[in-house]
Amino acid sequence: DAKTTQPPSMDCAEGRAANLPCNHSTISGNEYVYWYRQIHSQGPQYIIHGLKNNETNEMASLIITEDRKSSTLILPHATLRDTAVYYCIVRVGRDDKIIFGKGTRLHILP
Amino acid sequence: DTAVSQTPKYLVTQMGNDKSIKCEQNLGHDTMYWYKQDSKKFLKIMFSYNNKELIINETVPNRFSPKSPDKAHLNLHINSLELGDSAVYFCASSQGRQSTEQYFGPGTRLTVT
Repeated sequence: DAKTTQPPSMDCAEGRAANLPCNHSTISGNEYVYWYRQIHSQGPQYIIHGLKNNETNEMASLIITEDRKSSTLILPHATLRDTAVYYCIVRVGRDDKIIFGKGTRLHILP
Repeated sequence: DTAVSQTPKYLVTQMGNDKSIKCEQNLGHDTMYWYKQDSKKFLKIMFSYNNKELIINETVPNRFSPKSPDKAHLNLHINSLELGDSAVYFCASSQGRQSTEQYFGPGTRLTVT
């Protein structure tokens, strides 16, 4: 089972910031939070990851709360091409596998 | 420049047949994976190889046999195909067995009739 909880779907207007929440209340101190997305009919795409500090790259920003029990992925200026299922993942176990949950289906509205 | 490629993209076959899906990565990664995405869109890991050594083997029927001839290739052979094997199969690669920054291929849609 995935260790994360995400809303099943969200809408966001094109050009606005999309803020995708994720709860991971049982996260351990050395577990990273990863975000992937899957655009329809394509393979998942890595977006960003973080441990404690906020992170930013060319695709998105990741805000992790101080207690690390939740995080938010921010797409600063959403476009129609950002329509996808977004997965928040906490790596579990010692065998290094990642477990994809149900994710959040993000719809960008024109 | 394709980072992770899979062939074929589509595969339609009858029950009982044996088929293979090939995966190649040109990223220089040392770890490769196979995932299965079923009709409900759940994405589950099947196998993982690090430097040609099997490191993850989930509860997968032994009709599925991965083979890694070298670090850049991980093929999936499926014997005696069943209707329930119909799914999209994704190959992925990463650098290091503990990396969760994985790069996925475009997928192979397998349909068993």
